[in-house]
Amino acid sequence: LLLQESGPGLVKPSETLSLTCTVSGGSVNSDSYYWAWIRQPPGKGLECIGSIHYSGTTYYTSSLKSRVTISVDTSKNQFSLKLSPVTAADTAVFYCATLGSSTWNFDYWGQGTLVTVSS
Amino acid sequence: QTVVTQEPSFSVSPGGTVTLTCGLSSGSVSSSYYPSWYQQTPGQAPRTLIYSTNTRSSGVPDRFSGSILGNKAALTITGAQADDESDYYCVLYLGSAIGVFGGGTKLTVL
Repeated sequence: LLLQESGPGLVKPSETLSLTCTVSGGSVNSDSYYWAWIRQPPGKGLECIGSIHYSGTTYYTSSLKSRVTISVDTSKNQFSLKLSPVTAADTAVFYCATLGSSTWNFDYWGQGTLVTVSS
Repeated sequence: QTVVTQEPSFSVSPGGTVTLTCGLSSGSVSSSYYPSWYQQTPGQAPRTLIYSTNTRSSGVPDRFSGSILGNKAALTITGAQADDESDYYCVLYLGSAIGVFGGGTKLTVL
């Protein structure tokens, strides 16, 4: 299973951060996984933003719930993240990953993409 | 809000043994939290080492082992090598398809 993040590397404050994760070597239509987004601010730790099941059910961490939307496009074998509005504190490397539905670990990861929030 | 706790830093001598732990701000960690462990080197995505408390991920050397020690999850590295110098993160599953990360432990091998 391979995951690849894509999207703008620079977003202005108060605007919307949008990223897409393309899945290859497997299908998002799988009961084996939830599809997750994780972020890591520069020099800091990892934070799970949320996840989505292929059915469309979403789960968000409470601190970001009011600003986050995760969606899945089964026809393109992709899932996406929107975060709005953003501030400089949202500058981070964003990873997409799988969360095993029986083992509850993040087993496959994308390489990560840096998104900088700056005017 | 429940916080997942890890030692901020640890050091080990080459060839030595080190145990990193993963706890909860309130309560004890058990296997029902499905503890998992990840290794991250600078500029790289994390790599899964251990999942479901003590199952090694494919290709992970057997000098990495996971367990429950007392009221915490633990990652033990036996025979530490220079390239084990990394950041280590644990994740606990607290429900609702969200894995909660600990703050990470920076391991120095010297």
